[in-house]
Amino acid sequence: NAGVTQTPKFRVLKTGQSMTLLCAQDMNHEYMYWYRQDPGMGLRLIHYSVGEGTTAKGEVPDGYNVSRLKKQNFLLGLESAAPSQTSVYFCASSPWSGGANTGELFFGEGSRLTVL
Amino acid sequence: GNSVTQMEGPVTLSEEAFLTINCTYTATGYPSLFWYVQYPGEGLQLLLKATKADDKGSNKGFEATYRKETTSFHLEKGSVQVSDSAVYFCALSVGAGNQFYFGTGTSLTVIP
Repeated sequence: NAGVTQTPKFRVLKTGQSMTLLCAQDMNHEYMYWYRQDPGMGLRLIHYSVGEGTTAKGEVPDGYNVSRLKKQNFLLGLESAAPSQTSVYFCASSPWSGGANTGELFFGEGSRLTVL
Repeated sequence: GNSVTQMEGPVTLSEEAFLTINCTYTATGYPSLFWYVQYPGEGLQLLLKATKADDKGSNKGFEATYRKETTSFHLEKGSVQVSDSAVYFCALSVGAGNQFYFGTGTSLTVIP
């Protein structure tokens, strides 16, 4: 039971470098999300997708880009990493709940990114 | 707007003590309410949920009641165990994109 898988689990970058985090889910979920978790701030939504080929901005989208070319994958890109992007990143997915907002989130194990 | 406010931690309790973690919310629509738990080094996992007013969610001895009149969803457990040590997040879901809003999390440590 793979569920939601994130790669890589750990990464260290230098300021200005670029990278992509990959999220894959095998539950055929419509919705996918990228969050960042910082001490004392809980989880903040970066971008999300309500279906293949769609993306939307969340609460803290600046400095990040996303793509959802396939239903099962949701990529998070950092074009020019900054120290402020040092964080733990979580991907999550959710089934479509018919507009009832009752679908739970299924999370990956997280990706710890350090930008020096 | 939409937001969740939960009691700040950290919280330290002795085994078998009673636990309450307060959570209040504001929402533009009619939200569903959730409690998630995060064990060290892991992602969040659903603990319980309630989708309409007066519903009670329960799981593993934890429970919370959706109180629309007080916009609250407090988490309770009658007798905590060492294995309950984790960070607990209150969250709401609202909007067409099933958008979730999380509180800042409350760290719980249970000592033997």
